[in-house]
Amino acid sequence: GENVEQHPSTLSVQEGDSAVIKCTYSDSASNYFPWYKQELGKRPQLIIDIRSNVGEKKDQRIAVTLNKTAKHFSLHITETQPEDSAVYFCAPRVGSNYQLIWGAGTKLIIKP
Amino acid sequence: NAGVTQTPKFRVLKTGQSMTLLCAQDMNHEYMYWYRQDPGMGLRLIHYSVGEGTTAKGEVPDGYNVSRLKKQNFLLGLESAAPSQTSVYFCASSSIVRQGGSQPQHFGDGTRLSIL
Repeated sequence: GENVEQHPSTLSVQEGDSAVIKCTYSDSASNYFPWYKQELGKRPQLIIDIRSNVGEKKDQRIAVTLNKTAKHFSLHITETQPEDSAVYFCAPRVGSNYQLIWGAGTKLIIKP
Repeated sequence: NAGVTQTPKFRVLKTGQSMTLLCAQDMNHEYMYWYRQDPGMGLRLIHYSVGEGTTAKGEVPDGYNVSRLKKQNFLLGLESAAPSQTSVYFCASSSIVRQGGSQPQHFGDGTRLSIL
């Protein structure tokens, strides 16, 4: 089955700096690559996603890049703000079985 | 428009008791999912449904049953609760997934379940 790993598990950055979280997956049939944000005690919420025929997608301060050859995709957050503090999950989808396989999460801490 | 609503929000059970978690969505979504989230871990799929009257097993289905009698509702049942089922349970829904297409999942607020 699909094996998903996120790195780092915890990331602490100064407010205003950039943050990058990487997600590696094992199944070459993966065709959809979302990132979710979960604030403490809250529900996960989709923040950005990318499909397999696209290399990069940007939405204001957030971007996702995909390298299908190397089987990894990354979340980029620029000009970090206190409200970016949360746990971020990648959840690639394998094939057409509608299942997302979730990474263990990366805790992002924004230092004032 | 409430989105995805889960009831109850909290529950404490004794080992061996049974209970049903209810998930309701008002977005006319075809697909619905039940996940569990344990501390420091990502979400693991228990069961899912791609339409009214259909269900399928996910990654960790043992000890759980589900039913989707109405399109807007997805029920998760624990027949004989065990301490290992202590977790936060999330329900989610999404619209029809097309091959290779996007699949934004909309989550409820979760149910915190403790089994003593």
